[in-house]
Amino acid sequence: GESVGLHLPTLSVQEGDNSIINCAYSNSASDYFIWYKQESGKGPQFIIDIRSNMDKRQGQRVTVLLNKTVKHLSLQIAATQPGDSAVYFCAENSGYSSASKIIFGSGTRLSIRP
Amino acid sequence: NAGVTQTPKFQVLKTGQSMTLQCAQDMNHNSMYWYRQDPGMGLRLIYYSASEGTTDKGEVPNGYNVSRLNKREFSLRLESAAPSQTSVYFCASSGRDRADETQYFGPGTRLLVL
Repeated sequence: GESVGLHLPTLSVQEGDNSIINCAYSNSASDYFIWYKQESGKGPQFIIDIRSNMDKRQGQRVTVLLNKTVKHLSLQIAATQPGDSAVYFCAENSGYSSASKIIFGSGTRLSIRP
Repeated sequence: NAGVTQTPKFQVLKTGQSMTLQCAQDMNHNSMYWYRQDPGMGLRLIYYSASEGTTDKGEVPNGYNVSRLNKREFSLRLESAAPSQTSVYFCASSGRDRADETQYFGPGTRLLVL
């Protein structure tokens, strides 16, 4: 079946360093991918998205890379800050025409070392 | 502009009791969703509503019912709560078009079934 998974369940990064969170997906027909950030006790918050016709997209301090050949997605966070501590989910849109039906991975917890 | 709101924030039920979780959005979105999130896991789709007047099952619909009351509101009902339904419930909404398919989430309802 379709699945979205993450390579690492936890990631510890020194403050100020760059963070890279990886994600694998299995549905080659997916054409839209999203990264969400979830802080403790809150709902998921949209960070950045990318469509399958792109390889890279940049936001403020974040970059998403998409490698369709190996079905791999990554989120890069530049100059990681304490406020970046959260669980990060990648998600893919399974392509239902009637609604945005997103499949979520299990998440990677990012912790920041001072 | 409050985005997606959910009530209540917390609820404790005894096995067999019923309750309704409320969700409302003020972004004029067509589609709305209910997810559950269990500890250390990603979000799993319970039900969704692609547009007012329609509802469809997601990945884990058993034990739940939904009502799309109007364009703004989408409620989730547990008719006879079970301990297995202890979870955090998130409501989300998105636009109809593929250009507006990002889902935006509410703050969640934490439910404990004893």
